[in-house]
Amino acid sequence: DGGITQSPKYLFRKEGQNVTLSCEQNLNHDAMYWYRQDPGQGLRLIYYSQIVNDFQKGDIAEGYSVSREKKESFPLTVTSAQKNPTAFYLCASSITARETQYFGPGTRLLVL
Amino acid sequence: DAKTTQPPSMDCAEGRAANLPCNHSTISGNEYVYWYRQIHSQGPQYIIHGLKNNETNEMASLIITEDRKSSTLILPHATLRDTAVYYCIVRDSTQGGSEKLVFGKGTKLTVNP
Repeated sequence: DGGITQSPKYLFRKEGQNVTLSCEQNLNHDAMYWYRQDPGQGLRLIYYSQIVNDFQKGDIAEGYSVSREKKESFPLTVTSAQKNPTAFYLCASSITARETQYFGPGTRLLVL
Repeated sequence: DAKTTQPPSMDCAEGRAANLPCNHSTISGNEYVYWYRQIHSQGPQYIIHGLKNNETNEMASLIITEDRKSSTLILPHATLRDTAVYYCIVRDSTQGGSEKLVFGKGTKLTVNP
């Protein structure tokens, strides 16, 4: 199956802990994105990457970090500096940064 | 901020057409109109997009007014599985445009049996 996978579906974080959310795509897309969604709200862009080994901050990058070492993978780390991490995290990809974005199923992060 | 205005909720009978309106009065010449939907606790699903002309695919039709200040997404024969939040988004997809999608609050469509 071609598509975007995110794991895990649910993730629990303890205070002061860093956690990493996985995003993989086998669509051969150059661009990948991370969005955050809070209850009843729209999506907000955290980071995006137009090509391997390159990424840029979105609107709410503070407390998050990313890497793009492989074309198919764009992991997101939620660091302890992110004071309000509880949210639904969505990964997306597109052929290039100007094309239609397709989304994965999401990871719900909860703080214990 | 989202550049679109949508009604917060709509109802539709199963088997009937669902017509979801969207106002985007400040749309610029380079901006496309995109539609996504999100079923509860799932990732948004791309439906359709267009610039000036009406568009149709296997999921829906998109009707854009001649002045491009509004559009309508049409689901021709709504089913219970079409119950979702529908988002209308305008985005400049040309070089120099924005990489991000700006989601507003969308329209909660409920398809009733």
